[in-house]
Amino acid sequence: AQSVTQLDSHVSVSEGTPVLLRCNYSSSYSPSLFWYVQHPNKGLQLLLKYTSAATLVKGINGFEAEFKKSETSFHLTKPSAHMSDAAEYFCVVSMDTGRRALTFGSGTRLQVQP
Amino acid sequence: GAVVSQHPSWVICKSGTSVKIECRSLDFQATTMFWYRQFPKQSLMLMATSNEGSKATYEQGVEKDKFLINHASLTLSTLTVTSAHPEDSSFYICSARDRRGGERLETQYFGPGTRLLVL
Repeated sequence: AQSVTQLDSHVSVSEGTPVLLRCNYSSSYSPSLFWYVQHPNKGLQLLLKYTSAATLVKGINGFEAEFKKSETSFHLTKPSAHMSDAAEYFCVVSMDTGRRALTFGSGTRLQVQP
Repeated sequence: GAVVSQHPSWVICKSGTSVKIECRSLDFQATTMFWYRQFPKQSLMLMATSNEGSKATYEQGVEKDKFLINHASLTLSTLTVTSAHPEDSSFYICSARDRRGGERLETQYFGPGTRLLVL
C-alpha cells in the first residue's frame, strides 16, 4: 500500500520569500514521486518528478524537491515566490508496479502576498 | 510535454440523462489512461484505470455500471456517466501514461478536466 501526506493544507508567503511545501510518503517499494500544480479552473501541470535517479530534482518555474529516504519526505521548495505561484499543489506517489496509478495527497494551497 | 485533451470542458444536464466525456492523447499513444474525480477544494480520487482493448479496472466503491469506460483506441478513452444524479456533479479529470523513453521516464499527463453539473 502507498500513501502520501501533505502536512499543510494552506501556506501563505510574501512575494520574494522562500516557499516550502511539505510532503511525506509511505510506499512498500522504491516510489516514484511527483509534484503537480493546479491553477484555478485549469488542469494539472507536472512540476517535477523523482524516479530513483538524483535525489535533488529540479523542476519548472524554479521549483525543486529533495527525496530523503531516511525521512520519507519529498518537500517542494522555491527560493523566491512569485505572485503567479499562487495555486494548489499536489504531492503524488506512483503505484510501484503494474498499472502505476497515482495516489494524490490532499493538496496545499499556496497564497502569495504582495 | 505531451498534450491530453478532454471534451467537453463543462456540461450541464438533467437528472436521469447520460453524459459522455472524451479523453484524448494528442501526440502520443496511451495504452493506459486513468479517470479521476475531484470534489470542490478536495484532492483527486482515482476512479478507474482504462486499458486499451480490455475492460477497465475500477477502484473500490466505484460503480462500474454507472461509470462506463471504453478505451476504443490508443488515443481515446471515454467515460459515460449513466443516469446522472445531482450527487454525480463533480470535476472529472483524465490522465494518460506517456511511456516513450521507457518505464523509468514514464510520465502521466493530465487533461484540463470536465466540470459536470447535474440538475
